Amino acid sequence: DTGVSQDPRHKITKRGQNVTFRCDPISEHNRLYWYRQTLGQGPEFLTYFQNEAQLEKSRLLSDRFSAERPKGSFSTLEIQRTEQGDSAMYLCASSLGTGGEQPQHFGDGTRLSIL
Amino acid sequence: AQSVSQHNHHVILSEAASLELGCNYSYGGTVNLFWYVQYPGQHLQLLLKYFSRDPLDKGIPGFEAEFIKSKFSFNLRKPSVQWSDTAEYFCAGSNTDKLIFGTGTRLQVFP
Repeated sequence: DTGVSQDPRHKITKRGQNVTFRCDPISEHNRLYWYRQTLGQGPEFLTYFQNEAQLEKSRLLSDRFSAERPKGSFSTLEIQRTEQGDSAMYLCASSLGTGGEQPQHFGDGTRLSIL
Repeated sequence: AQSVSQHNHHVILSEAASLELGCNYSYGGTVNLFWYVQYPGQHLQLLLKYFSRDPLDKGIPGFEAEFIKSKFSFNLRKPSVQWSDTAEYFCAGSNTDKLIFGTGTRLQVFP
């Protein structure tokens, strides 16, 4: 178990730029989740995949956000035309089977800072 | 709407003091409850989990949680804290696939 890996750890960009984050889940885990965490808050659900299928998206995920998991392994989260309010820690988690019954394992996160 | 709330935002204790962190949830039907911990500079880790049909599953030794259905509460306890317990603690609930987290409680333990 090598854990959930996220890249990069920290991204600084100017407002209006596009950014892409990558998440590599624990290898045998079929479910992959994205959360966003801002200062003083707990993580908020964004979206999740079962294998390559995106099964649910939060209303927090505006049209500028897109997530993919093309081969059912790693996932990418892209934010287009970044805004100041996108500054946050983006967390990825994975689990085996149904997330409601299996604990989710989290990565270290990607901290996004918008200048 | 589903929600999880934590009322203690910041707790300061001396070593050997007892710990109780409050968590209340609002869910219809069956709910699974979790406590996660985030030590400084580390990722979120599962502390313990409670699935409604199973007994409490203790993860990291020393911690336990009491589930009181009538009070919609799932409070975390530890009889005697150590300096190494300094961390942020998150309560979370799930009845489908996504976790809904509370805002977290920052625990500081002084020697």
